[in-house]
Amino acid sequence: QVQLVESGGGLVKPGGSLRLSCAASGFTFTDYYMTWIRQAPGKGLEWVSYISSRSSSIHYADSVKGRFTISRDNDENSLYLQMNSLRAEDTAVYYCARDKLFSDYWGQGTLVTVSS
Amino acid sequence: QSALTQPASVSGSPGQSITISCTGTSSDVGGYNYVSWYQQHPGKAPKLMIYDVSNRPSGVSNRFSGSKSGNTASLTISGLQAADEADYYCSSYTTSSSVVFGGGTKVTVL
Repeated sequence: QVQLVESGGGLVKPGGSLRLSCAASGFTFTDYYMTWIRQAPGKGLEWVSYISSRSSSIHYADSVKGRFTISRDNDENSLYLQMNSLRAEDTAVYYCARDKLFSDYWGQGTLVTVSS
Repeated sequence: QSALTQPASVSGSPGQSITISCTGTSSDVGGYNYVSWYQQHPGKAPKLMIYDVSNRPSGVSNRFSGSKSGNTASLTISGLQAADEADYYCSSYTTSSSVVFGGGTKVTVL
């Protein structure tokens, strides 16, 4: 069965960095775009970024452009999100999700808290 | 990219039908048939309910249906049940090659 498991969340100070990982299993990873979506506490969903199957197409939300970098390792069936220059408003649960236009599978999320 | 506009809350009695609207622009909802809908229960990850405006994934009840007219998409839940009480989000692909979500609608079963 399809599984997406995020890790790497935690508490970080403003201006700090964090790298999130998402381990995928149960499907052919190289057949799919992958996406990061976040949800601030008590707020709605916000699309963050997606990456094509061979990493040739990458797009970011304006709110994270220049600070976050999405990547993937198809040999390891893993998706990553490198987050730099973190701000308080980046505090959220970060979900990895399968595909680009709609996400039929989601991970359980990993909480990132940016606070001094 | 501005968020799509959804009503903050919609309510209905068991067995009734309710409709949630999702209004965007010609750059997102109106420009593509790539509208999807998600259900989220408290503390859980979102679940895909509708994709490509009106398609249901396998396993999703046929009580859920989607449609679109111009820049507004809609999700209808018929035969409302207690288990349908949740937050619902629409999303759309955009002309900027990004994805935008609605602000979310809390559905309450009276």
